[in-house]
Amino acid sequence: DIQMTQSPSTLSASVGDRVTITCRASQSISSWLAWYQQKPGKAPKLLIYKASSLESGVPSRFSGSGSGTEFTLTISSLQPDDFATYYCQKYNTYRALTFGGGTKVEIK
Amino acid sequence: EVQLVESGGGLVQPGGSLRLSCAASGFTFSSYWMSWVRQAPGKGLEWVADIKQDESEKYYVDSVKGRFTISRDNAKNSLYLQMNSLRAEDTAVYYCARPVTAYGMDVWGQGTTVTVSS
Repeated sequence: DIQMTQSPSTLSASVGDRVTITCRASQSISSWLAWYQQKPGKAPKLLIYKASSLESGVPSRFSGSGSGTEFTLTISSLQPDDFATYYCQKYNTYRALTFGGGTKVEIK
Repeated sequence: EVQLVESGGGLVQPGGSLRLSCAASGFTFSSYWMSWVRQAPGKGLEWVADIKQDESEKYYVDSVKGRFTISRDNAKNSLYLQMNSLRAEDTAVYYCARPVTAYGMDVWGQGTTVTVSS
């Protein structure tokens, strides 16, 4: 099975900072990668699909890049509403829609 | 409005059973794969199972194989998760979600909480 590894697990940053989160797949998944944002007590929200496509209504400060086995989620200028936990997920096959372990973005 | 609403969670003893339901509205339910995702307290997201539109394909995470069964009723726009032989480690919030080829999971329910404890 393909494993998804996110880093870092926790990130401390300030409003206005540029933030980058990395997700690595143990085998190539082409561009079949999504990023989600989750706030405490809430369901996850889709941010990015197909590695770099922005979901409708998501602010343009969010961007995704990568293909194959290495992917990044970048927040160009961190806003107060962005403090949350972020997850990557592979979806190259319905047999295992595996998530990464998550990255919590905290206030510095 | 596209919506998923889960129900059926609760407190159950180890070894017990529970059936979760997910009611879909606002889209053509029979046209989509559907999934269950769970989140243990303080932990990350874990994909549990998914099911094809006509139930011809079903997939499960290894930890629930043989204990959980995913099913659907397209006439009732409903998704189900039958959970048997429950263990403490199955304690989690269970979400139903809509996985879309090329998009990921674009619609999520609010979740229902399952607690396995004596």
